[in-house]
Amino acid sequence: DVVLTQTPPTLSATIGQSVSISCRSSQSLLHSNGNTYLNWLLQRPGQPPQLLIYLVSRLESGVPNRFSGSGSGTDFTLKISGVEAEDLGVYYCVQSTHAPTFGSGTKLEIK
Amino acid sequence: EVQLQQSGAELGKPGTSVKLSCKVSGYNIRNTYMHWVNQRPGKGLEWIGRIDPANGNTIYAEKFKSKATLTADTSSNTAYMQLSQLKSDDTAIYFCAIGPGPAYWGQGTLVTVSS
Repeated sequence: DVVLTQTPPTLSATIGQSVSISCRSSQSLLHSNGNTYLNWLLQRPGQPPQLLIYLVSRLESGVPNRFSGSGSGTDFTLKISGVEAEDLGVYYCVQSTHAPTFGSGTKLEIK
Repeated sequence: EVQLQQSGAELGKPGTSVKLSCKVSGYNIRNTYMHWVNQRPGKGLEWIGRIDPANGNTIYAEKFKSKATLTADTSSNTAYMQLSQLKSDDTAIYFCAIGPGPAYWGQGTLVTVSS
């Protein structure tokens, strides 16, 4: 199985601060078709997950553009440029280039 | 609007089975994979498997191959997951999800295993 390692496990930020979350894969996530199936989800407390970013860097419809994704191969990053209160929750990376697996999650707390 | 409506909470005894449902509106399940994901209390997300409702083909995560059985009824646009031989560590919230991403998620079904 592909292992996704997320860091840090927890993140504490003030409103307006920019933060980044790393997701490293045990194998390359570049598919033979040229796509890289690495996505980012946010799970707010008591809610199902919500898709934020797909195919590494594409913003899901309706998601604020303070969220951005980057990376390639085995190293990926989610950046939030100017945290807002509604951004608290747990962020997961998920890959589906191989049999799907999730990262262990990064909990974002607001100071 | 795409909506996934999951069945209600289940209480199952050890050794028994439960069958969860996920009814989709606003999206034809023939056009997508249906994924199932669990989340144990206080833990992260875990992929169980997926079904292609158009042909019934399934893929399971290794640890769920003898635990979960995925089916789908395209006539009612509904997917199902049966969990067998329930144990206490099957206690979790189970989500269905569809679309690239997956983009659309059900609200989750809490399964509690207890004698």
